[in-house]
Amino acid sequence: EVVLTQSPATLSLSPGERATLSCGASQSVSKNYLAWYQHKPGLAPRLLIYDMSSRATGIPDRFSGSGSGTDFTLTISRLEPEDFAVYHCQQYGHSPPTFGQGTRVEI
Amino acid sequence: VQLVESGGGLVQSGGSLRLSCAASRFTFSTYAMSWVRQAPGKGPEWVSGIHASGSHTYYTDSVKGRFTISRDNSKNTLYLQMDSLRVEDTAIYYCAKERAAVGEPLFDSWGQGTLVTVSS
Repeated sequence: EVVLTQSPATLSLSPGERATLSCGASQSVSKNYLAWYQHKPGLAPRLLIYDMSSRATGIPDRFSGSGSGTDFTLTISRLEPEDFAVYHCQQYGHSPPTFGQGTRVEI
Repeated sequence: VQLVESGGGLVQSGGSLRLSCAASRFTFSTYAMSWVRQAPGKGPEWVSGIHASGSHTYYTDSVKGRFTISRDNSKNTLYLQMDSLRVEDTAIYYCAKERAAVGEPLFDSWGQGTLVTVSS
């Protein structure tokens, strides 16, 4: 299976700063089928980015995805207070679908 | 889209549980569905998926032969029958909607999850 490794494990930033989250795959992800999710405790995970760089419905444009092959990045251009959460990447180009361990973005 | 899981709880090793996921506000019968779990301190793990029609089912290796996914499109409900439970099955179990009828496990909507705890 494709192993996804996220870095850093924790990102300590302030509102208004830029956040850059990385996701590395153990092999090239087919069709760049890479997604990013935001997860807050007690809430349903929320899809942010799919197909590596497409924003899901209702996701503000401060969230962007990029990369290719084995290296992917989620960028939050200016952190808002509601953006402090855990972010997971997921590949769905190979079976089984797999997730990264997550990056916690904290104040 | 609304997905509401139920059926979690505390069970002894070797026991069984049946999870349900009530779906609403979308045409349930036209989308594949999955169960995804997250154990304490770990990343999410896809557990099982089922095509929109229910004709095909898929499982991660660690649950094959123990878990059974099914759906009732007339009731807009997804199920996960979990037998021979192990301590390592302890996790929050999420119901997740896929973006297509078949073959694309991109999860565009999730429920809030139900906690399954397996004791030894």
